This record gives sequence, structure tokens and C-alpha cells, in this order.
Amino acid sequence: EAAVTQSPRNKVTVTGGNVTLSCRQTNSHNYMYWYRQDTGHGLRLIHYSYGAGNLQIGDVPDGYKATRTTQEDFFLLLELASPSQTSLYFCASSDALGGSTGQLYFGEGSKLTVL
Amino acid sequence: GNSVTQMQGQVTLSEEEFLFINCTYSTTGYPTLFWYVQYPGEGPQLLLKVTTANNKGSSRGFEATYDKGTTSFHLQKASVQESDSAVYYCVLGDNNAGAKLTFGGGTRLTVRP
Repeated sequence: EAAVTQSPRNKVTVTGGNVTLSCRQTNSHNYMYWYRQDTGHGLRLIHYSYGAGNLQIGDVPDGYKATRTTQEDFFLLLELASPSQTSLYFCASSDALGGSTGQLYFGEGSKLTVL
Repeated sequence: GNSVTQMQGQVTLSEEEFLFINCTYSTTGYPTLFWYVQYPGEGPQLLLKVTTANNKGSSRGFEATYDKGTTSFHLQKASVQESDSAVYYCVLGDNNAGAKLTFGGGTRLTVRP
């Protein structure tokens, strides 16, 4: 089974702070995704990528940057964090178009609190 | 864009009771429909896929059906167990949207022993 590892698992920062969330997958999947999870909204796609150096904009990209440095590593960057970005963030990967197979493998989540 | 609506935010049942969760969706593309489950402290995982070929899917005792006419799909289980307590998401994939999946808001199921 695919392994997706996120770090840090918990992060507290202040408004205006700089945060980087890291994600590594070890199964050579082409696609990687960043979602945020909020009560009542389910999971919303922030950014995704289909390979090193590639970046695609998701549904809620404002205030977020992302970078895919290798096939294994995908980073989410919050350069000026705001309280509205307090959330549980999930990284996921897949080996095919997620829209057709539906098989995404998720990490365990990174809880971010912006004070 | 695509959207998915789950009306039931929370469902509480006793063991062996019947589960029914309904979703509606909106898309201009060609949908593929899924159900995901998220257990406490874990990431979401795929539960089952509803194939539009036969409008059904099943896995681990759960069944899902799809109605193109009403653009709705639902998840059911005849007899729930305490171990089924989790959050269930209906999810829309769209072959025109590439790798993107659209998640509903989630239904938190609590099963009392």
C-alpha cells in the first residue's frame, strides 16, 4: 500500500508567520495533492501536481503556494499565514488520474493553528 | 464547476440498524462517483466506486447506487456495527477535470453499542 508521510503533524504559528508543510510519498506516484479539511466543507483541493516541477491550481488556492521538487516531495507554503488558514491539511498521491480511478492515498494530516 | 452536497452532517444509530446517506451532485462533465471513509485520527480512504455502467458499487458490506436522472447517489448498509463509526464522504470525479476530485461536506456516523 502507498505510504504518504506528512510533517510536521502539528504546527502553531502567529498571524503573518511563514509555514511550510512537507509531504513525501514512497511509491513513485505521478500525482500529488494538497487538501484542507474543515468542518462542513469536507476536503477542498488547494494545489496538485503531476510531476516534478509541475503545479496545478486547485479550488481554493488563494494564500497558498506549492512546489514539487522531486517525484517524492511536495511542499505547501503559507508565506503570510492568517487565522482563516487554521485547518487540517492532507497530502495525497495517486498513480493515475484521480478523476477516473478515485484511488488517492492520503497521509495522516498536519494540523495548523494560526493565532 | 463541480459540486457535491451531503445534507446529513451527522447520523447516530444503534448497532444493527440500517444506514442511509444521500448525496446530490452537479457537473457539466462525465461523472464518476466514489465514497470515502475517514476513521478517527486517519486520513480518508477509498471505500468504493460507483460504476455508471451498472449504477452500483459495493464493498465491506456497504452498497451504493447512482441515479443519473436526479443526479444523486447514496450509501447504505443493512446492519451497522460500532466499528463503522467514521466520517463518510461522497466524492465526484470528472473525466473532463483530470486528476481533480470534489468532496462533499462529510457525514459523521456514530454507532452506539
